[in-house]
This record gives sequence, structure tokens and C-alpha cells, in this order.
Amino acid sequence: EAGVAQSPRYKIIEKRQSVAFWCNPISGHATLYWYQQILGQGPKLLIQFQNNGVVDDSQLPKDRFSAERLKGVDSTLKIQPAKLEDSAVYLCASSVFGVLSSYNEQFFGPGTRLTVL
Amino acid sequence: AQSVSQHNHHVILSEAASLELGCNYSYGGTVNLFWYVQYPGQHLQLLLKYFSGDPLVKGIKGFEAEFIKSKFSFNLRKPSVQWSDTAEYFCAVIGNSGYSTLTFGKGTMLLVSP
Repeated sequence: EAGVAQSPRYKIIEKRQSVAFWCNPISGHATLYWYQQILGQGPKLLIQFQNNGVVDDSQLPKDRFSAERLKGVDSTLKIQPAKLEDSAVYLCASSVFGVLSSYNEQFFGPGTRLTVL
Repeated sequence: AQSVSQHNHHVILSEAASLELGCNYSYGGTVNLFWYVQYPGQHLQLLLKYFSGDPLVKGIKGFEAEFIKSKFSFNLRKPSVQWSDTAEYFCAVIGNSGYSTLTFGKGTMLLVSP
């Protein structure tokens, strides 16, 4: 079974530029998550989708971050404009069941390491 | 709000030493608990999970964890570590009824010297 795919793996940009990350979840997984992992911390949830609907984006800085999951499959996360503090690893994860399931195991992709200069 | 506390940010052990990584959580309800591992250059992988039943759960590569409800703890253990266990370990918690999000601790970096 193929895992969660993410691209690019690395990205270096100047502050105030824009950047986009792509994620393809495991086939058939209903729920997709985007996390931000700053160096020295655990992953923090930014947004989660169930199929193509947003379930929770309460931690997403909506003035600069946006995300979509068209057709309920792959997803993109965009930052515009980027700030220095956005330097982090952006992880995508997916799970089989919907968000209200008690047995939702999340599978993580390799992440995109973003450096903002 | 739920939170997870991992006791040590860095742990250094020699091969064959025993390992115990502490994890305490705060949540006003019943929970599911996880330990994830991230080996150098690799993505987060599930090490073990607790949903219900026997509070002593066994995972991959000889790891186990014990859920102690009264102490809100889910400590990770391994009797004898190997150099290949060098990695970062994350404890995570999610509520198991209604809507909840997975909350991670800050992680513990384990370095095993040969």
C-alpha cells in the first residue's frame, strides 16, 4: 500500500514570497490533516478535512494560510505571504475514518521542510 | 484544552540499557494514546497505540507502553535499546468520543551510543 505522498520535500523562499505544498493521501482515506512542526516541538494541527469539507481550521492563520482538498482526494496548502516564523516542516497525514471515529489512526507523509529567509 | 507533557527533551543511553520515556496528558474525558517515532531522515511512524482493554500495549521493535489512568500517564519502555533506536519519540493523545484532535508532546530525542 502506497503511503502519504508530499511534494516538494524542501523549499527555500524569501519572506513575503508565496509557497504551496501538495499532499496525496492514502487511497480511500476519508480524512486529511495538515500539521506544522516547528523545530524542537511536536506537530501542531493546522487544518483537517473530511472528504472535501473543512472540519477544523481553528489553528490555521487564515490571513496568510489557505488550504483546499478538491474532489476529496489530494490537497494543497498555501502560504502567502510567508514570514520568517513560518519556517517549519509541514506534515500531511490521512486516516481511514471520519473525524468522529474513535479508532482513527493517522498515517504521516515525509513532510515538506520550509525555510523562510 | 488537552495537552501532552514529555518529561525529557533529550536522552542519551548506551546500547543494552533500559529505556523509559515519560508521557503525561491532560484531558477531561477518555482518551486514545499513541507513541510515534521519527528515525533520522524518515517520516513519523506509529510505534504503538492504546484504544481500550489491556493497559499494557506492545508495539513494534520490542517497545511497550503502559496506560495508568489514575496518573494520566502513558510511559514508553524498552528493556534493551539498540543503536538503531536512535530517533525522536512523540507521545500523542486524542479524545475517543465526539470530536477531538490529535495533540502531540514536544518529543524526546533518544541517542543510543554503540
